[in-house]
Amino acid sequence: AQSVSQHNHHVILSEAASLELGCNYSYGGTVNLFWYVQYPGQHLQLLLKYFSGDPLVKGIKGFEAEFIKSKFSFNLRKPSVQWSDTAEYFCAVNAGDKIIFGKGTRLHILP
Amino acid sequence: GAVVSQHPSWVICKSGTSVKIECRSLDFQATTMFWYRQFPKQSLMLMATSNEGSKATYEQGVEKDKFLINHASLTLSTLTVTSAHPEDSSFYICSARGGPIYNEQFFGPGTRLTVL
Repeated sequence: AQSVSQHNHHVILSEAASLELGCNYSYGGTVNLFWYVQYPGQHLQLLLKYFSGDPLVKGIKGFEAEFIKSKFSFNLRKPSVQWSDTAEYFCAVNAGDKIIFGKGTRLHILP
Repeated sequence: GAVVSQHPSWVICKSGTSVKIECRSLDFQATTMFWYRQFPKQSLMLMATSNEGSKATYEQGVEKDKFLINHASLTLSTLTVTSAHPEDSSFYICSARGGPIYNEQFFGPGTRLTVL
């Protein structure tokens, strides 16, 4: 069955620290991969997506993610986080007709 | 572009009543709409997929007689929670596909349902 696994449930960092959130997926077919962000009290927003081509994808707000097919991974990175990055981050895979979400990682940035 | 709205944004109802939630694609035609449920501090769980003009496909464990989905037009889908109970209290989110990039879903802001 298709699944998405996010390794970190809760991450606490100081401002300017580097961030990497892990995401692994299980799906045998062609995948489209996404990272969504949900700021407190707001709805889901797309951070970035991978459909094909360059496996290093750049998104909004300085985020990037790398698709490594051999590892079934799509980790999210940001070199220097800001307090405003405090939010919940969801990795998702478009498996056939559906989008399957990971359980989310709650990121808390200390000012 | 590709904006999805939901109405209402929050609703409180008494146990036993029915609640209808609307999901609209504002600037594109949504061939497929999806309904999700999100419990506090948890991920989004897909409830059902609806294609315009046909019956919705429900995920395993979702009661289709309790969560009625109608996708009567290319810009509107409705979710009706029938005979709501406190355990139905949750955050319901819709998404729509059919915008400029086919495989991308655009999410609505969600509807918070509280059943007393």
